[in-house]
Amino acid sequence: DGGITQSPKYLFRKEGQNVTLSCEQNLNHDAMYWYRQDPGQGLRLIYYSQIVNDFQKGDIAEGYSVSREKKESFPLTVTSAQKNPTAFYLCASSHRGLGTGELFFGEGSRLTVL
Amino acid sequence: DQQVKQNSPSLSVQEGRISILNCDYTNSMFDYFLWYKKYPAEGPTFLISISSIKDKNEDGRFTVFLNKSAKHLSLHIVPSQPGDSAVYFCAASGGATNKLIFGTGTLLAVQP
Repeated sequence: DGGITQSPKYLFRKEGQNVTLSCEQNLNHDAMYWYRQDPGQGLRLIYYSQIVNDFQKGDIAEGYSVSREKKESFPLTVTSAQKNPTAFYLCASSHRGLGTGELFFGEGSRLTVL
Repeated sequence: DQQVKQNSPSLSVQEGRISILNCDYTNSMFDYFLWYKKYPAEGPTFLISISSIKDKNEDGRFTVFLNKSAKHLSLHIVPSQPGDSAVYFCAASGGATNKLIFGTGTLLAVQP
């Protein structure tokens, strides 16, 4: 089945630790995105990539890093510099570029910092 | 600065009746609008979209209306079903960055 796979679904982290969230898609989409969802705040864009080996900061990139070495994969690292990392993280992809088509979302990863 | 606003955090509707979810935007450069549906602990799924050259788009029980002069769009669900109970996000794109900007969501509860 075509789709987006995020792992892990739940993750606990101690303060000061980096953690990497995985996102893999087999939809052959060029563009991939990471969003963060907090209660009452909707979805906010962290990073996006429209092509392999290229990515841009979204609205709340501070404390996060990404890589796009393969078309299928767009991992997100939540670093210790992120001041409030507890959230629900959503990865998405789209066939065309930014804002020009619907996004397909993964099931999300919930990160809790202890 | 919230460019896409969903002012109703929640809405409760009886099964079989119409559900109307509203969304307002401030950026006049937005030219493409989408609605997503989200169940708890899952990713959002695309529902319906509309471009700024139209004022209505219909797909089965779902219809989106766009009023550009008022910078307002709405999603109508007729008839509402219990399985429609979810959070609905509206989103918009266009302008210089062309990023997809999401609203804060409206929780719809359809009562049997």
